[in-house]
Amino acid sequence: ILNVEQSPQSLHVQEGDSTNFTCSFPSSNFYALHWYRWETAKSPEALFVMTLNGDEKKKGRISATLNTKEGYSYLYIKGSQPEDSATYLCALANQAGTALIFGKGTTLSVSS
Amino acid sequence: EPEVTQTPSHQVTQMGQEVILRCVPISNHLYFYWYRQILGQKVEFLVSFYNNEISEKSEIFDDQFSVERPDGSNFTLKIRSTKLEDSAMYFCASSGTSGTYNEQFFGPGTRLTVL
Repeated sequence: ILNVEQSPQSLHVQEGDSTNFTCSFPSSNFYALHWYRWETAKSPEALFVMTLNGDEKKKGRISATLNTKEGYSYLYIKGSQPEDSATYLCALANQAGTALIFGKGTTLSVSS
Repeated sequence: EPEVTQTPSHQVTQMGQEVILRCVPISNHLYFYWYRQILGQKVEFLVSFYNNEISEKSEIFDDQFSVERPDGSNFTLKIRSTKLEDSAMYFCASSGTSGTYNEQFFGPGTRLTVL
């Protein structure tokens, strides 16, 4: 059974701080990793899909890296803003791509 | 921008009742999914659906659950006889392609409360 862990569970930072969180997963049988951003009362929004070891992807102030050999991905937010407050979910794709296995998420709160 | 919609946003039902949760996927998408999140727990995969058939289902998706695409636009999840432990946020998702790198687009969820 695939198990995806995320840390920390929650994080509170000040506006302008940079922050990062971790998604850990079994390094065997890796197919793809998805990052989602989920604001309360809204739909989870896809940020990145990562497939290759060493991948680094960026969208504005948010970037992510992937290490499939050791089984982790980092999500970085540079210069956090209050609008970055959300829960960040990572999920592993199964081999067929028919299901995503999610971690519990990291809830980020950014104070102005 | 196209989006997945779900109705209702909140459903309250009595234990033992049947509920149908409705989703309208993005119009040109062909792959459909249901997930749920029990409060405080991980988002869990329930079922995926393509070409009018279930592609994959989890252990949670037992005989009490069924899915249907009754017309060209709706995708529904039916729970035949709800239990207290079915209380959760239910998310529908759709994707335009298959494969591990396919982006799944999520709806805002239906919060189901079973009393």
